[in-house]
Amino acid sequence: DVKVTQSSRYLVKRTGEKVFLECVQDMDHENMFWYRQDPGLGLRLIYFSYDVKMKEKGDIPEGYSVSREKKERFSLILESASTNQTSMYLCASRKKVLRGDYEQYFGPGTRLTVT
Amino acid sequence: TQLLEQSPQFLSIQEGENLTVYCNSSSVFSSLQWYRQEPGEGPVLLVTVVTGGEVKKLKRLTFQFGDARKDSSLHITAAQPGDTGLYLCAGARTGTASKLTFGTGTRLQVTL
Repeated sequence: DVKVTQSSRYLVKRTGEKVFLECVQDMDHENMFWYRQDPGLGLRLIYFSYDVKMKEKGDIPEGYSVSREKKERFSLILESASTNQTSMYLCASRKKVLRGDYEQYFGPGTRLTVT
Repeated sequence: TQLLEQSPQFLSIQEGENLTVYCNSSSVFSSLQWYRQEPGEGPVLLVTVVTGGEVKKLKRLTFQFGDARKDSSLHITAAQPGDTGLYLCAGARTGTASKLTFGTGTRLQVTL
């Protein structure tokens, strides 16, 4: 089974702190994604990575950065946390898309609260 | 701008009832997926539809992709408490580097 793990299930941080969210997948997937999930808005893509050291901005990258130094690990960084970044953060991975197979495998999520 | 709108946003029904969830867009998608997310977990893929007009069945769940590939529906027959969860549609569009666009979500609660 594909396993995507996230470093924390719950996290509470103060405004202005630098926050690191870690994601690890064990299926040698090329593609990895970070989403945030808010009620009524579905999942919104923050950043994604096609492969090691590659990154692309998603729909809402402002206030976030990412790092992918190893294939299995994709980190999301909040440079200076703000209260409007309080949300559920979901990581996902996927093998390189071939013949229209877009299935993504998700981690359990990190619920981040910024006070 | 949300490209995929789901309706209803919330649905509370009793065991045994039937229901339909809709996923609508003005954009054309090359394929569309449905995921279910249970509390405390990430979404899990239920089905992928790729052809306009395609119908797929997964036990009591029936998925349909619109003829124009702009919309989709999920029909559940004789709902059970185990169907409770958040249902998300997600579309892939040609030329968007294989990114998925997720719908707004439908939260379903099935009670005894």
